[in-house]
Amino acid sequence: DVKVTQSSRYLVKRTGEKVFLECVQDMDHENMFWYRQDPGLGLRLIYFSYDVKMKEKGDIPEGYSVSREKKERFSLILESASTNQTSMYLCASSLSALGETQYFGPGTRLLVL
Amino acid sequence: RKEVEQDPGPFNVPEGATVAFNCTYSNSASQSFFWYRQDCRKEPKLLMSVYSSGNEDGRFTAQLNRASQYISLLIRDSKLSDSATYLCVVNKGRDDKIIFGKGTRLHILP
Repeated sequence: DVKVTQSSRYLVKRTGEKVFLECVQDMDHENMFWYRQDPGLGLRLIYFSYDVKMKEKGDIPEGYSVSREKKERFSLILESASTNQTSMYLCASSLSALGETQYFGPGTRLLVL
Repeated sequence: RKEVEQDPGPFNVPEGATVAFNCTYSNSASQSFFWYRQDCRKEPKLLMSVYSSGNEDGRFTAQLNRASQYISLLIRDSKLSDSATYLCVVNKGRDDKIIFGKGTRLHILP
């Protein structure tokens, strides 16, 4: 079974703090993705990566950056957290082609005060 | 036309009934189609892939209509445990990444 883990289930941060969200997958998947999910807006892609050290912007990259130094790990960074970044953050991975099935981690609920 | 469009519901259906959802997509070059299920406050999980010939998995049947650009999900003999949000997932185009619909909420009533 594919396992995708995220470093925290719940996180509370203050406005202006730098926030790191970590995601690890154990199935040697090429592609990794970061989404945020908000009521009424569905899943929105922030960034994705198709290889180590490679990254591509998704639909809403503003205010976020990512890092993929190792194949199994994909980090999402909020450089200066703002209240409108309060959300559920979901990491996913897929094997090789971008159009393949994605497997999700359990999510991180981030509250920015 | 939105890339992937679903009726948000909620669909309130008595236990044992049959329920069907449709989902339309805008890009005729899309090749990959899936249905995901998301329980409240949980992550999305793959329910089933949708093949050109249609496919069935127990009480669940998925169909693809390329001419009209929609996919469907049929649930027979619905159970209380089928209550969830069902996400339609389509890839943006040939060899492109997948995108998620906003989901259809289903409530199975006892």
